[in-house]
Amino acid sequence: KAGVTQTPRYLIKTRGQQVTLSCSPISGHRSVSWYQQTPGQGLQFLFEYFSETQRNKGNFPGRFSGRQFSNSRSEMNVSTLELGDSALYLCASSFGGLADQPQHFGDGTRLSIL
Amino acid sequence: GQNIDQPTEMTATEGAIVQINCTYQTSGFNGLFWYQQHAGEAPTFLSYNVLDGLEEKGRFSSFLSRSKGYSYLLLKELQMKDSASYLCAVRSPRPGGYNKLIFGAGTRLAVHP
Repeated sequence: KAGVTQTPRYLIKTRGQQVTLSCSPISGHRSVSWYQQTPGQGLQFLFEYFSETQRNKGNFPGRFSGRQFSNSRSEMNVSTLELGDSALYLCASSFGGLADQPQHFGDGTRLSIL
Repeated sequence: GQNIDQPTEMTATEGAIVQINCTYQTSGFNGLFWYQQHAGEAPTFLSYNVLDGLEEKGRFSSFLSRSKGYSYLLLKELQMKDSASYLCAVRSPRPGGYNKLIFGAGTRLAVHP
């Protein structure tokens, strides 16, 4: 079956702009988590959505937000972009229930801020 | 606080065995995952431990000691394609923490002929 799909793969923006990233989970997965990966900080948890509700949130400023649609697709938005937001943004999906299921990652969106 | 430590880099020879260690100090524990990430690619799931002991999956095994806050990933019969970063991640306990993974910085493994 198809894996986690993230679009776009690459994005270049300038400071102050805003950006929206998209993630389509594996069919049947209802949980979508977002992570930021940078060389200095590694993979850091942004937030998790399950059944259109934010269930977990990491320690990122309010400029980072997200949402999930009824078909489990998710979007992440970053407003007022800063140079430090340059990173690989990864989305991961899982069934999200009580069973211990691993998360499956997409290939990510590489965001560069000029 | 939350802290997960792994060695930054390791090197090994093709055909050999390598052990990648991970120690963690987290506020709660609900499972430990190992992921493999090749450069420029997505992390892929390798193994999961929630109880103490060894889990074996082909050439890969993972061990967990919850009392020591310690895990390791063992790779046997190393192949060149095993050159990648290996990420250790701890899952936050329920409620509300089903899928919040806290990742270590990763261990870059280089396999040489």
